[in-house]
Amino acid sequence: KAGVTQTPRYLIKTRGQQVTLSCSPISGHRSVSWYQQTPGQGLQFLFEYFSETQRNKGNFPGRFSGRQFSNSRSEMNVSTLELGDSALYLCASSSTGAGHGYTFGSGTRLTVV
Amino acid sequence: AQKITQTQPGMFVQEKEAVTLDCTYDTSDPSYGLFWYKQPSSGEMIFLIYQGSYDQQNATEGRYSLNFQKARKSANLVISASQLGDSAMYFCAMRFVYSGAGSYQLTFGKGTKLSVIP
Repeated sequence: KAGVTQTPRYLIKTRGQQVTLSCSPISGHRSVSWYQQTPGQGLQFLFEYFSETQRNKGNFPGRFSGRQFSNSRSEMNVSTLELGDSALYLCASSSTGAGHGYTFGSGTRLTVV
Repeated sequence: AQKITQTQPGMFVQEKEAVTLDCTYDTSDPSYGLFWYKQPSSGEMIFLIYQGSYDQQNATEGRYSLNFQKARKSANLVISASQLGDSAMYFCAMRFVYSGAGSYQLTFGKGTKLSVIP
């Protein structure tokens, strides 16, 4: 079965711009979580969506937002990009969020210049 | 608050030897799950092994085993018969329940970079 698909794989944006990243979960999975990975802060939880509802959000500014569609695909948006937003953004899907069936995508590597 | 500590930033192991990657955790929640992931340079997080807090036996998955010592709050990963393809970053993570909304999130350690030497 197809894995978790994240698009695009690489992105270069200018400070002040906004960006939208996409995540298509494994078919049948209803939970999608997003994580930011940087060399300094490591992996940090951004938010989790389940059946189109945001269930939890990490400690990130309001410039970071997301949504989930009825087909469970999820997007995250970052507005007014800052240099510090340069990171690998990973999404993980699971059927419910419980259990241990998390599958990660290959990530989107965002560079802000 | 949940916390995962990986004290080994980097490790070297000879091919075909076994290696142990350390992980300690801190939580007051009696119900939690512990994970190990492998991240090669491509960036994808690859699931290796899972241990639930109520599991009586240590988890094993092929060449991977988890040495779970609940009282010491440690969950070390043991890789037997190391292969060159095992060279990667390894992350220990804990899942807990954000009880307010029934949400689950993973808390990760800083990772250990494993290098397998021919």
